[in-house]
Amino acid sequence: AQSVTQLGSHVSVSEGALVLLRCNYSSSVPPYLFWYVQYPNQGLQLLLKYTTGATLVKGINGFEAEFKKSETSFHLTKPSAHMSDAAEYFCAVSHGSSNTGKLIFGQGTTLQVKP
Amino acid sequence: DAGITQSPRHKVTETGTPVTLRCHQTENHRYMYWYRQDPGHGLRLIHYSYGVKDTDKGEVSDGYSVSRSKTEDFLLTLESATSSQTSVYFCATATGGTEAFFGQGTRLTVV
Repeated sequence: AQSVTQLGSHVSVSEGALVLLRCNYSSSVPPYLFWYVQYPNQGLQLLLKYTTGATLVKGINGFEAEFKKSETSFHLTKPSAHMSDAAEYFCAVSHGSSNTGKLIFGQGTTLQVKP
Repeated sequence: DAGITQSPRHKVTETGTPVTLRCHQTENHRYMYWYRQDPGHGLRLIHYSYGVKDTDKGEVSDGYSVSRSKTEDFLLTLESATSSQTSVYFCATATGGTEAFFGQGTRLTVV
């Protein structure tokens, strides 16, 4: 069975500091992995995804994530936090390796950015 | 937003009443999904559809049914609403090989 664990339900950083949101997964097949962002009272927006190929994936708004198979991790990073990054972030893995809408989500991490 | 419209956006209903949520898409995506979002649980899959009249259960399907009579519409029905179904419901679509696109959500409160 596939599962996703996000370490830390709340993360607080200062503006300009490094953002690190942790995600570990379990999957019996090569995973497709995703990070989504949700701003208040809105739907989910895709930040980035890993399917195959390069393990360092760059996304929108300066975010990137690295797929590490040996650590079963897909941590999200951004070198310098901006106030507009405050939101809830979800890591997800797709069922199997091809159906990218049938997702298993982590519990979510709320990112707070302090001035 | 991939042309996904959820209706209604907000609804308050009484325990025991039937409720239908609608998801309408304009992108002709083959796959459609209903998720519910609850604090501490992230999003969980309720039901999904591979095409017209082709649906299947997700991980939290008890108390819910769905129908898809047209490619663009995917309906989620709570036959007899309970307080445990108070949640935010999201519809999503996908073409199958890239990513899922999410609607804006429907906030349902069962009193």
